[in-house]
Amino acid sequence: ELKVEQNPLFLSMQEGKNYTIYCNYSTTSDRLYWYRQDPGKSLESLFVLLSNGAVKQEGRLMASLDTKARLSTLHITAAVHDLSATYFCAVLNNDMRFGAGTRLTVKP
Amino acid sequence: EAQVTQNPRYLITVTGKKLTVTCSQNMNHEYMSWYRQDPGLGLRQIYYSMNVEVTDKGDVPEGYKVSRKEKRNFPLILESPSPNQTSLYFCASNQGTEAFFGQGTRLTVV
Repeated sequence: ELKVEQNPLFLSMQEGKNYTIYCNYSTTSDRLYWYRQDPGKSLESLFVLLSNGAVKQEGRLMASLDTKARLSTLHITAAVHDLSATYFCAVLNNDMRFGAGTRLTVKP
Repeated sequence: EAQVTQNPRYLITVTGKKLTVTCSQNMNHEYMSWYRQDPGLGLRQIYYSMNVEVTDKGDVPEGYKVSRKEKRNFPLILESPSPNQTSLYFCASNQGTEAFFGQGTRLTVV
């Protein structure tokens, strides 16, 4: 059974700092997704990673995938308040399984 | 425009009163799923469907039913809702590397 573990679950950062969110999964997959969710909203797709070594960047966020280690990371560079949200990783193996989410709060 | 449409967006109901949350997708995707989201627990899969007339239980199926009579529709049925089913529900469809989510249904059972 596919399990997806994400950490940390809560992250409080100061503006301008860097941090990484980790996503481990238990079975072979080469389809890893990162989503952002604002309170009361649906999920917004951030990145789709489809191969080992894939790296994608958008603004202050960069995601990478290591399929051999079954690990994906979401790196935040020089955080700003607008990045405050909950971030989910998800692995697609026919159906999609999610990590528990990381609630990120960026403080001035 | 590719989309997954859920209805209703908000619903308050009483314990024991049967309800259905509808989900429709316009992308001809084979896979559809229902999730519930609760604080601190992320999104947990309730049921999923691999194609018409093919459904299977996810992680938290108790108290829910689904059907997949047509490829585009995947309704979630609560035969006898209870307060512990108060949650935010999402429908999703996916095929290949495409994955789309509905806007969510906030259900309150009193």
